[in-house]
Amino acid sequence: DVKVTQSSRYLVKRTGEKVFLECVQDMDHENMFWYRQDPGLGLRLIYFSYDVKMKEKGDIPEGYSVSREKKERFSLILESASTNQTSMYLCASSSYAQPQHFGDGTRLSIL
Amino acid sequence: GQQVMQIPQYQHVQEGEDFTTYCNSSTTLSNIQWYKQRPGGHPVFLIQLVKSGEVKKQKRLTFQFGEAKKNSSLHITATQTTDVGTYFCAGRVRGGTSYGKLTFGQGTILTVHP
Repeated sequence: DVKVTQSSRYLVKRTGEKVFLECVQDMDHENMFWYRQDPGLGLRLIYFSYDVKMKEKGDIPEGYSVSREKKERFSLILESASTNQTSMYLCASSSYAQPQHFGDGTRLSIL
Repeated sequence: GQQVMQIPQYQHVQEGEDFTTYCNSSTTLSNIQWYKQRPGGHPVFLIQLVKSGEVKKQKRLTFQFGEAKKNSSLHITATQTTDVGTYFCAGRVRGGTSYGKLTFGQGTILTVHP
């Protein structure tokens, strides 16, 4: 069974901090994704990666960066956290055009 | 960019009533997927539709893909309390490095009253 593991379930940080969210998948999937989920807005894609060291911007990349140094790990970085980045962050992985498998999410609060 | 609109945003039903959520894309899709997210959980894949006009059933759930491959619907017959959650459609565009990418609708939050 596919396992996507996000490093934290809940996280509280302060404005201006650099924040790292980590995601690991165990199924050798090529694609990995970071979304944020806000009420009424659904899942919005921040960044995705289709191979090691490869990345593409999603719909809302501003204020975020990503890193994929190993196939199984995809990191989301908030360079200087702001209160409008308080949200639920979901990581997902997939093999090519197959369905996406999601982690349990990280609920991030920026104070 | 590609947009996927989903309505309604909320739906409250009595147990045993039917439920439908609709999804419309601004562009023609390669295929469409549906996901369910239980309260406090993460989205879980339900089904994928690929062909124009395709209809698929999973027990009380019926999924349709429009002839133009720009719209889709999910219909639940005789809802049960276990159907509670948020239902998302997600469309995929054709080709390129973005082929793995999905654009999600806003989701429909279904509440079922016993």
